[in-house]
Amino acid sequence: DIQMTQSPSSLSASVGDRVTITCRASQSISTYLNWYQQKPGKAPKLLMFATSSLQIGVPSRFSGSGSGTDFTLTISSLQPEDFATYYCQQSYSAPRTFGQGTKLEIK
Amino acid sequence: EVHLLESGGGLVQPGGSLRLSCAASGFTFSSYAMNWVRQAPGKGLEWVSVISGSGDSTYYTDSVKGRFTISRDNSKNTLYLQMNSLRADDTAVYYCAKDPYDSSGYANFFDYWGQGTLVTVSS
Repeated sequence: DIQMTQSPSSLSASVGDRVTITCRASQSISTYLNWYQQKPGKAPKLLMFATSSLQIGVPSRFSGSGSGTDFTLTISSLQPEDFATYYCQQSYSAPRTFGQGTKLEIK
Repeated sequence: EVHLLESGGGLVQPGGSLRLSCAASGFTFSSYAMNWVRQAPGKGLEWVSVISGSGDSTYYTDSVKGRFTISRDNSKNTLYLQMNSLRADDTAVYYCAKDPYDSSGYANFFDYWGQGTLVTVSS
């Protein structure tokens, strides 16, 4: 199975900050990398697929980059509604695996 | 608007069985692969199983093979997960999640999720 490792596991930031979350795959996954946002008690929401394609309705302050084994999710200017847990997920091979999550908290 | 609504969760003893359902609306259900993804309390996400749009192809994560069965009834727009020989480590919120592409293959990611149903395995 492909292991996905996110860093950091948690992050404190302020409204307006630029934030970057990293996701590393245990082997090359090309650009088959997706990002989800989950708020407490809610289902995950797809933010980005294929590394850098924004899901419909997701604000443009979210962006993604990377290829091979190293990927990043960047939020250009944090908004209050962005404080949540973020998960990366590889769709290169079965089984579909997720990172352990990055909890983004208000500083 | 796509809507997925899970049901069937609850408290079950170790070794017991449970059947989860996911009622779908707002899209042509039979055209899309569907998945189950679970999340243990306070933990991350784990993909469990996928079924093709026609229902003739299924895949499972290793830890549930031989115990869980995914199925669908396209006439009722409903996805199922039959869970047998349940263990304490199956305790989780179970989400149904839709594949994003209208195709015969699998995109292997998930564009819409239900709200989840909690399964607790405990004596």
